Parts: sequence; C-alpha cells; structure tokens
Amino acid sequence: EAGVAQSPRYKIIEKRQSVAFWCNPISGHATLYWYQQILGQGPKLLIQFQNNGVVDDSQLPKDRFSAERLKGVDSTLKIQPAKLEDSAVYLCASSLTSGVDTQYFGPGTRLTVL
Amino acid sequence: KQEVTQIPAALSVPEGENLVLNCSFTDSAIYNLQWFRQDPGKGLTSLLLIQSSQREQTSGRLNASLDKSSGRSTLYIAASQPGDSATYLCAVSGGNTGKLIFGQGTTLQVKP
Repeated sequence: EAGVAQSPRYKIIEKRQSVAFWCNPISGHATLYWYQQILGQGPKLLIQFQNNGVVDDSQLPKDRFSAERLKGVDSTLKIQPAKLEDSAVYLCASSLTSGVDTQYFGPGTRLTVL
Repeated sequence: KQEVTQIPAALSVPEGENLVLNCSFTDSAIYNLQWFRQDPGKGLTSLLLIQSSQREQTSGRLNASLDKSSGRSTLYIAASQPGDSATYLCAVSGGNTGKLIFGQGTTLQVKP
C-alpha cells in the first residue's frame, strides 16, 4: 500500500514570496490533516479535512495561509506572503476516518524562508 | 487548553539498556494517546495507540502505559538498540475529530 505522498520535499524562498505544497493521501482515507512542525517542537495542526469539507482550521493563520482539498482526495496548502517564522516542516497526514483511526504521515516538506 | 510535555528533551543510553520516556498532559479528558517515532528528515510513524479506557499497549519491545487520573503516560523500550535512535513524540486526542496535540519530543540516542 502506498503511503502519504508530499511534494516538494524541500523549498527555499524569500520572505513575501508565495509557496504551495501538495499532498496525496492514502487511497480511501477520508480524513486529511496538515501540520506545521517548527524545529525542536512537536507538530501543530493547521487544518483538518473530512472528505472535502473543513473540520478544524482554528490554528490556520487565515490572513496568509489557505488550503483546499478538491474532490476529497489531493490537497494543497498555500502560504502568501511568507514570513520568516513560517520556516518549518509541513507534514500531511491521513486516516481512514477521524477519531480512533491511526494517522499516517507523509515525509513532509521542509520550508526555509530567507 | 491541553498542553503536552515530554521530559527529558534528550537522552543517551548504551545499547542493551531498558529505558522509559515520559509524557504528561494537563487535561485528563482525552480520547486517546499515541506514541510516534520520527527519524531525521522523515515523517512520523505511529508506534502505539492507547484508547482512554485502556491502561497499556504492547508491541514487541515497546510498552506504553496510560494513567489518565494523573495525566501521565510512559513509553518503555526494552533492550535498546542503535536502530531505536530517533525522536519519540507523544500526542493526545481530546475528541473524536482526531485532532492531535503533540509534546515537543524526546530525542533518543542509543550508543553501540
């Protein structure tokens, strides 16, 4: 079974530029999560989708971050404009449903904002 | 607001030692607790998931316990190996949405 795919793996941009990350969850998984992991910290949930609807985006900085999950499969996370403090690893995870199911994580995208 | 703390932040042990990693959380009203492993440059791998009604879970050399009343969980690793070197993260879920609140992790180094 293929795991969660993410691209790109690394991205370096200058502040005020825009960037987009892509995630392809495990086939059949209804729930998709985007986490931000700053160096030395645990991941923090940015947004959670159930199929193509948003379940939780309470910690998403909506003035600069946006995310969508068209057709309930792939998802993209965008940052525009980027700030220095956005430097982090962005992890995508998926689960069969929400709640008790194990979350499976992708390898992440490491973003560096200069 | 739920907060998860892991102590120590880093741990170095010789190969073969048994060790315990600690996790504490401030709100005992959790849905489940999970332990993850993270290798450098890679995503997270789920090791053990304990439902709120359970006291412990075991997988191979790993044993995780949960004490909701005291807000604590431990991950016991028996007969540690160099391949166990990684960062171990504890996470709690406060409801049935699956949202995880993570600790900052414990970085383990097992020396040959």
